[in-house]
Amino acid sequence: AQSVTQLGSHVSVSEGALVLLRCNYSSSVPPYLFWYVQYPNQGLQLLLKYTSAATLVKGINGFEAEFKKSETSFHLTKPSAHMSDAAEYFCAVSDSTGGYNKLIFGAGTRLAVHP
Amino acid sequence: NAGVTQTPKFQVLKTGQSMTLQCAQDMNHEYMSWYRQDPGMGLRLIHYSVGAGITDQGEVPNGYNVSRSTTEDFPLRLLSAAPSQTSVYFCASSTRTGGSYEQYFGPGTRLTVT
Repeated sequence: AQSVTQLGSHVSVSEGALVLLRCNYSSSVPPYLFWYVQYPNQGLQLLLKYTSAATLVKGINGFEAEFKKSETSFHLTKPSAHMSDAAEYFCAVSDSTGGYNKLIFGAGTRLAVHP
Repeated sequence: NAGVTQTPKFQVLKTGQSMTLQCAQDMNHEYMSWYRQDPGMGLRLIHYSVGAGITDQGEVPNGYNVSRSTTEDFPLRLLSAAPSQTSVYFCASSTRTGGSYEQYFGPGTRLTVT
C-alpha cells in the first residue's frame, strides 16, 4: 500500500530564510505526488503536483518540489519565507488500487514564520 | 463557479444524534470523496463515489453513510454520533486532468460531538 511520511510536524523559520519541508513516499509504481497547503480555518489548496513529466515542479506562491526516485522523496522548498506562508502543508500520493484514484496524505507539517 | 461547497460550517451534536453534512460541486466532476482531518493524522478517506449511484468505503467508513443520487451532491450521514467523530470533515471532487486526478476541496465542516 502507498504511504507518505512527512518529517517534522512543526517547522519554524525566519522571514526571508529557506523553507524546506520533507516528504518521503512509498509506492510500488511510479507515483503521482502532490503538495497541498491549508491556511487556518480553510480547506486544502493545491500547491503543486508531480505527474512524471519534469522532476522539478514549480507551484504557486514561489514553492517548488523535486522528485527524487532514488531517495523516494518529494521535498517542498521556497528560497525565501514570507509571513503569509505560515500554514499547514500536506504531502500526498495517489493510490489507484480498487479502481479509484485516492489520495493518501501525510500527517502534515505546520510551518511558522517569525520576523 | 462556486467549486465545492459544504454546509454547515460548524455543528455541535450530542452523542446519539444523527445529522447530514451536505456537499455540492458545480464542476461536473465524476469523482467525489469525504475525508476527516484529525490532529497529527492528516486526512483520512471515509467514503468516495465514482459517479451517480456508485459509492464505496474508504479507510475509516464505520459510523458513516453516503449516497450519490446526482453528479452534483454527495451528502455524508452520521447515523448515531459519537465523541470519536469529533473532527473536521472535508468534501472533495476530482476529475482526470492530463493523466492525473486533481482534487478540489471544500472549506470544511467542524463537528463537535459531546
